[in-house]
Amino acid sequence: GAGVSQSPRYKVAKRGQDVALRCDPISGHVSLFWYQQALGQGPEFLTYFQNEAQLDKSGLPSDRFFAERPEGSVSTLKIQRTQQEDSAVYLCASSLVHSYEQYFGPGTRLTVT
Amino acid sequence: KNEVEQSPQNLTAQEGEFITINCSYSVGISALHWLQQHPGGGIVSLFMLSSGKKKHGRLIATINIQEKHSSLHITASHPRDSAVYICAVPRGTGNQFYFGTGTSLTVIP
Repeated sequence: GAGVSQSPRYKVAKRGQDVALRCDPISGHVSLFWYQQALGQGPEFLTYFQNEAQLDKSGLPSDRFFAERPEGSVSTLKIQRTQQEDSAVYLCASSLVHSYEQYFGPGTRLTVT
Repeated sequence: KNEVEQSPQNLTAQEGEFITINCSYSVGISALHWLQQHPGGGIVSLFMLSSGKKKHGRLIATINIQEKHSSLHITASHPRDSAVYICAVPRGTGNQFYFGTGTSLTVIP
């Protein structure tokens, strides 16, 4: 079966533009996570879904960041009015519920110019 | 305050050398993960361990729960081992992690 996929792999946005990043988790994985990874840093937690329910969004850095998973499968991370400090790799991971084994996608590298 | 600390931050080795990367953590855990991240961003899970030692090919991971310390060893290193190695521990009761900042390994032919 396919792993976690993310699209686009690379995105260049002008400051002020809105972007949408997509994550397709492994089929049957209930849990889905978004992480932000700045250059030279480890991933930082953004938000967590169990099925379609967003159980934790404490890591979202501002109200410009919004994530959804309406049907409990594909998830979209939206960033409004992008700023230069939003430039990072955005990683998505999925797992079976009650499992610490997360499967990561390849990430989307966002560059805001 | 970092719940997970890794050392060294950067490591350059000659092909064939034995490599050790260290991870110390401050929270109580049930399991610890070692992850590998190649240029381009994708992360691969190498090990999940809660005690003792695990081995996979040339990679060995050890953990000492009492000392809150884990090591990742690479024997007979190869240029294709060049990557960032990240230590991660679960946080809270959810499936979430504290991540170390990673160790960037470069193996020179």
